[in-house]
Amino acid sequence: ETGVTQSPTHLIKTRGQQVTLRCSSQSGHNTVSWYQQALGQGPQFIFQYYREEENGRGNFPPRFSGLQFPNYSSELNVNALELDDSALYLCASSHGTGGFYEQYFGPGTRLTVT
Amino acid sequence: KQEVTQIPAALSVPEGENLVLNCSFTDSAIYNLQWFRQDPGKGLTSLLLIQSSQREQTSGRLNASLDKSSGRSTLYIAASQPGDSATYLCAVSDNAGNMLTFGGGTRLMVKP
Repeated sequence: ETGVTQSPTHLIKTRGQQVTLRCSSQSGHNTVSWYQQALGQGPQFIFQYYREEENGRGNFPPRFSGLQFPNYSSELNVNALELDDSALYLCASSHGTGGFYEQYFGPGTRLTVT
Repeated sequence: KQEVTQIPAALSVPEGENLVLNCSFTDSAIYNLQWFRQDPGKGLTSLLLIQSSQREQTSGRLNASLDKSSGRSTLYIAASQPGDSATYLCAVSDNAGNMLTFGGGTRLMVKP
């Protein structure tokens, strides 16, 4: 069983640019959640996708957007990058939505905005 | 709004010590609580998941307890080893289950 994978591993962007991060969910999982982890802090929930629809969103501005595809892989898009967007971006997949289902995390994408 | 706090923020112990990491949360309406391990610059590895109806879970040298009514969880690590050095995060799942709220983590160093 393949675990959660994310690409790219590292990324450097300039303020004002746009970025797309990708996540492949674990086999059999239909739900993907995205988290932002600033240095030295715990992860913060960005949003969740369930069967290609957004299913909950944290306190992030609209320039953070996402997609989920029919194979349940997902993208996180961030427009108009700001310096504070520099962080480790984690995705997690689960068998379904709801607290019963454990979330399995990928290795993350380290984004640096200069 | 749920808030999760972890104490201490950092901990340094000699190898072989038993230790306790603490996690508290403000809203007891949780579905489950998870403890994770994170190595520097890496993703999260799930250690233990406790459903809200459970009191504790054990895995090897790790034991996690949950007191939902008081909003507390502890992670007990027995006979600590240098390989246990990492950041430990606790997270609670709300009843809707579509998000985890994390604490700030405890950075553990076990010295040989």
